[in-house]
Amino acid sequence: GQNIDQPTEMTATEGAIVQINCTYQTSGFNGLFWYQQHAGEAPTFLSYNVLDGLEEKGRFSSFLSRSKGYSYLLLKELQMKDSASYLCAVRDDKIIFGKGTRLHILP
Amino acid sequence: DAEITQSPRHKITETGRQVTLACHQTWNHNNMFWYRQDLGHGLRLIHYSYGVQDTNKGEVSDGYSVSRSNTEDLPLTLESAASSQTSVYFCASSEYSGNAGELFFGEGSRLTVL
Repeated sequence: GQNIDQPTEMTATEGAIVQINCTYQTSGFNGLFWYQQHAGEAPTFLSYNVLDGLEEKGRFSSFLSRSKGYSYLLLKELQMKDSASYLCAVRDDKIIFGKGTRLHILP
Repeated sequence: DAEITQSPRHKITETGRQVTLACHQTWNHNNMFWYRQDLGHGLRLIHYSYGVQDTNKGEVSDGYSVSRSNTEDLPLTLESAASSQTSVYFCASSEYSGNAGELFFGEGSRLTVL
């Protein structure tokens, strides 16, 4: 079976740092994606990890540990526009999504 | 610019009617996917295709069908619409290159079944 878990909601303050965790149990693994989705819009690609370690891209970083079935998305210097849902997705022979984490940013 | 488009963007239909949602991409991607998104469930895979004449069932395929007669299009058909199929539907495409197949999403089709 396939199972991808992430927190339902998180709240953080503008300018702060937040870490969104994702754990997965899948029959195969060919990479892990993070997507951002603003309300009423389509998801947009943020990052991709296939090897263990940290991938940094501007204010956003993503980490993967394949042995632990664990990933996190780190958002630094939070801005109000970062208020969105963040979706963790795993590729085996297809791409399966977790339920998403809704991030609220407080001024 | 290459893109992926869905139509209609909004649709209201009645229980039992057949509905087809269109998806057209100009990326020339081999892989195409249909997802539905519901509150509390996230994105769930309905059907997917890895090339012309190839179709596969996803997590929630009952009541849905797809066909792939060319690279550009993957229409999603609801044979007999049910209220449980009220949802937002996203089409996506990908290719195994660059970011190893990141999904490019259409803008979504909101379907209401009364």
